[in-house]
Amino acid sequence: DQQVKQNSPSLSVQEGRISILNCDYTNSMFDYFLWYKKYPAEGPTFLISISSIKDKNEDGRFTVFLNKSAKHLSLHIVPSQPGDSAVYFCAASEGAGNMLTFGGGTRLMVKP
Amino acid sequence: NAGVTQTPKFRILKIGQSMTLQCAQDMNHNYMYWYRQDPGMGLKLIYYSVGAGITDKGEVPNGYNVSRSTTEDFPLRLELAAPSQTSVYFCASSYTRQRANYGYTFGSGTRLTVV
Repeated sequence: DQQVKQNSPSLSVQEGRISILNCDYTNSMFDYFLWYKKYPAEGPTFLISISSIKDKNEDGRFTVFLNKSAKHLSLHIVPSQPGDSAVYFCAASEGAGNMLTFGGGTRLMVKP
Repeated sequence: NAGVTQTPKFRILKIGQSMTLQCAQDMNHNYMYWYRQDPGMGLKLIYYSVGAGITDKGEVPNGYNVSRSTTEDFPLRLELAAPSQTSVYFCASSYTRQRANYGYTFGSGTRLTVV
């Protein structure tokens, strides 16, 4: 029973356009969400996070949106660059500092 | 560079063999974790530790053992390797309470194949 789901295993986007990666969760106790980025042969690296007291958090080209009623979060990358090509994992926890539950990942390919 | 170091990077094991995956961090993190990543399945927690001498099971602990004798090291032991343990293994660490925006620090992974 996956509590965090990323229903799109892959996404292809043209350079300069917007990339939107989606994540759904089922556990209503989750209140802290993170996105990680993973390149081949490397470990995941932290990208951006959001607490449930917010519905949006921005960091440069990356914005995470949280819709608590729909139990849905999304990561927007604008503009997308070829270097953004990677696997993106969303993760959730019951409070910052507690165990993370990860989604299955979405492979993003940004074409020049 | 400070971070999480995993060894080896690659390993092929025969069914029934044993091995230890090494993990060390130099950030004085109290929390350490072992995950496995299967294709399309995301990261599954195997074991975790909240400090030296304290370990606990995660979601998929069967077939594995861990120990945490120091803050820095968190080895993962596979006894009697099985093909189902073919996976990429990631070690991670974090502060006792995650600093608000920084999540876990991951190692670069160990790719294990059991044949």
